[in-house]
Amino acid sequence: KNEVEQSPQNLTAQEGEFITINCSYSVGISALHWLQQHPGGGIVSLFMLSSGKKKHGRLIATINIQEKHSSLHITASHPRDSAVYICAVASIQGAQKLVFGQGTRLTINP
Amino acid sequence: NAGVTQTPKFRVLKTGQSMTLLCAQDMNHEYMYWYRQDPGMGLRLIHYSVGEGTTAKGEVPDGYNVSRLKKQNFLLGLESAAPSQTSVYFCASSVSRGGLESPLHFGNGTRLTVT
Repeated sequence: KNEVEQSPQNLTAQEGEFITINCSYSVGISALHWLQQHPGGGIVSLFMLSSGKKKHGRLIATINIQEKHSSLHITASHPRDSAVYICAVASIQGAQKLVFGQGTRLTINP
Repeated sequence: NAGVTQTPKFRVLKTGQSMTLLCAQDMNHEYMYWYRQDPGMGLRLIHYSVGEGTTAKGEVPDGYNVSRLKKQNFLLGLESAAPSQTSVYFCASSVSRGGLESPLHFGNGTRLTVT
């Protein structure tokens, strides 16, 4: 079983829809990251959080440490949000090591 | 600031050839990392460095070597390329323990094909 599981693996939606991507993990963590990888390949860090909720523009990330679960929400989705979204956790057992999920491919159609 | 720059962007090698991937960062970060990304798998750590002159193995180090002679540069070498090393390679850097204390800054990746 993977230490980090994302769902769904693929998501297609219409412009303007509210998007939710989920991340569940099985290890104790010190932090969780959400990353965005555009079709061109570059990876950008969106959020790093260890509790509660963070918001940046139309993006919101939440984490529930007790349930070992995080969600990434996108409000008023736009075609430019089309990308692969990657969840990664900093395991408290693993020194210098992030454990990455396989990613969720999001496609927003106009 | 350029951030994290990887060269080259693309490379095709024949089995047994060698090459070096260069990662340069201009953010004065102490920590640097090399990852590989394969279809259906999450990013996996190859090697990392916690400062100039130091390197350490990650989870998939076999077949790779690294060097960190200057703080801003982190080189990844393949001495004898194998088809299993066909992948997209990402370099990343961070201020402190990446992922644990600070976010990672990634380069744009190098797509390597070994035939």
